[in-house]
Amino acid sequence: KQEVTQIPAALSVPEGENLVLNCSFTDSAIYNLQWFRQDPGKGLTSLLLIQSSQREQTSGRLNASLDKSSGRSTLYIAASQPGDSATYLCAVQHPDNYGQNFVFGPGTRLSVLP
Amino acid sequence: NAGVTQTPKFQVLKTGQSMTLQCAQDMNHEYMSWYRQDPGMGLRLIHYSVGAGITDQGEVPNGYNVSRSTTEDFPLRLLSAAPSQTSVYFCASSYGQGGNQPQHFGDGTRLSIL
Repeated sequence: KQEVTQIPAALSVPEGENLVLNCSFTDSAIYNLQWFRQDPGKGLTSLLLIQSSQREQTSGRLNASLDKSSGRSTLYIAASQPGDSATYLCAVQHPDNYGQNFVFGPGTRLSVLP
Repeated sequence: NAGVTQTPKFQVLKTGQSMTLQCAQDMNHEYMSWYRQDPGMGLRLIHYSVGAGITDQGEVPNGYNVSRSTTEDFPLRLLSAAPSQTSVYFCASSYGQGGNQPQHFGDGTRLSIL
């Protein structure tokens, strides 16, 4: 069974710092990996999607990498801002999961202090 | 464009009561799913549907029923509420499943069972 973990569970940094969030998964046979952002009281917003054949994706100050063989992904946030404060979840789409649905990690709660 | 709309946003029930959580999307998406989110855990799939008239079970289906009579609507029914069903429930939709189809999430229904 595919399992997804995220470290750390919570992170607090001063504004302007570069930071890395980590995601690990147990089965490398994935279709893709997505990073989501969740604001308090809100649903999930997709940030980046990395296909299984890709190594990384970039969007603005965000860069996500994927190492399928080691079962790891990182989300790099450059020059963090207070508006980046949210919970970040990673999810993998696995062929053996129900309806090829996503398996989600528990999330990393990020606080960027002004 | 409303996206995915969930109602109600909050609900308190007594053990044994039944209720229906509503989910509607206006993007003509074929694929819809229901998740629950509990503290310290990732989202877990309850039920999903690949199109009108077709539903299937996810990881944690017990105690819940779904139906998909139209493309737009995918209600989730709690048959006899139990305290273990206290959670935040999210509905999601996508154009298809597998591959590069981003999921769109509603803002969630926060449900407490006393």
